[in-house]
Amino acid sequence: EIVLTQSPGTLSLSPGERATLSCRASQSIGISSLGWYQQKPGQAPRLLIYGASSRATGIPDRFSGSGSGTDFTLTISRLEPEDFAVYYCQHYGDSPRTFGQGTKVEIK
Amino acid sequence: EVQLVESGGGLVQPGGSLRLSCAASGFSFKNYWINWVRQAPGKGLEWVANIKQDGTGTYSAESVKGRFTISRDNAKNSAYLQLNNLGAEDTALYYCARDYWGVFDVWGRGTRVTVS
Repeated sequence: EIVLTQSPGTLSLSPGERATLSCRASQSIGISSLGWYQQKPGQAPRLLIYGASSRATGIPDRFSGSGSGTDFTLTISRLEPEDFAVYYCQHYGDSPRTFGQGTKVEIK
Repeated sequence: EVQLVESGGGLVQPGGSLRLSCAASGFSFKNYWINWVRQAPGKGLEWVANIKQDGTGTYSAESVKGRFTISRDNAKNSAYLQLNNLGAEDTALYYCARDYWGVFDVWGRGTRVTVS
């Protein structure tokens, strides 16, 4: 089973700042089978990124994903008030699908 | 509108059973894998199980193997998760999610299961 470790656990930033979230896999993830989700309190997760770097439909271009192998990054170029939430990475190269433990982006 | 709606959650005693349902609308249900994902109170996301388009292939997490069974009825545009021998560790909000080449692009709002 691939274990995904996200860091940091919490990121305290101000609106307008840049956010950089990390997701490290315990073994190489094939064909960049890595996705990112955003979850706000009381809501279901929302798909942001698939294939490590492709934005899902309707996702603003301030969200970008990068990385390959075992190290992946989600970057939010300029934080908007609605971006403060918890972010999860997920691999889907094989079964079982696993999620990282999440990074909370909070208002500083 | 593309939509998934879960139902069937509730309060159940340890060792008990529940059957969760996921009703799909707005898309061709038979063409997609379906997943169940759960989230314990205050915790992260845990993938539980998934099922192939025609129901011939299913996979589940080790934590639920032998206790949870996923199934689907394409004629009813619905997927199901049978939960047996429930324990406190199964208390969670259970989501169903549509599979898009491995990622989950459509989610329901979830149905809550409490084991106590």
